[in-house]
Amino acid sequence: AQSVSQHNHHVILSEAASLELGCNYSYGGTVNLFWYVQYPGQHLQLLLKYFSGDPLVKGIKGFEAEFIKSKFSFNLRKPSVQWSDTAEYFCAVTGSYSGGGADGLTFGKGTHLIIQP
Amino acid sequence: DTGVSQNPRHKITKRGQNVTFRCDPISEHNRLYWYRQTLGQGPEFLTYFQNEAQLEKSRLLSDRFSAERPKGSFSTLEIQRTEQGDSAMYLCASSFRTDFYNEQFFGPGTRLTVL
Repeated sequence: AQSVSQHNHHVILSEAASLELGCNYSYGGTVNLFWYVQYPGQHLQLLLKYFSGDPLVKGIKGFEAEFIKSKFSFNLRKPSVQWSDTAEYFCAVTGSYSGGGADGLTFGKGTHLIIQP
Repeated sequence: DTGVSQNPRHKITKRGQNVTFRCDPISEHNRLYWYRQTLGQGPEFLTYFQNEAQLEKSRLLSDRFSAERPKGSFSTLEIQRTEQGDSAMYLCASSFRTDFYNEQFFGPGTRLTVL
């Protein structure tokens, strides 16, 4: 069974600080990897995704993530955070190929990020 | 708005009552997913459909839960004899699944409170 582990459940940073949120996954096949964000009172929105190709992917709002296959990791980064980045961040994985089983997203427990002005 | 929509947005019910939620996916999407999210947790997969066929059900989906997608468009999720432990946010997502990628778009969710 696939699983996702997010190492930091609560992170507090000051504006302009750099951010890195850890995500490790366990899955036996080729994967699609995602970071979703949930701003207060809003629904899940896709930040960025990795399907194949360049392991460094760029998403919206200045976020990027690096897929390191040998480490089963997909860490999220942003060089300079803003107060508006305060939100819940979820890493998720699903199998890459169509077919039965393992098609739903498996999410980590999330990281609650608070940016202090 | 061409995103995923869910109704109702909030539902309060008494224990033992039945509830039904509706999800309207993005129109060209062939797959529709249901998830459940409790406070402080990430969403947990419940079930998904490809067109009208229900292809996978999580072990989280007890016999009291049933989902349908009768014409391959909207879907309903019914919970019979609700229990307090069913209180959660129920999320719907849709995607256009290919052999290489599966990007799921989420709706706003239905928040269920069982008293």
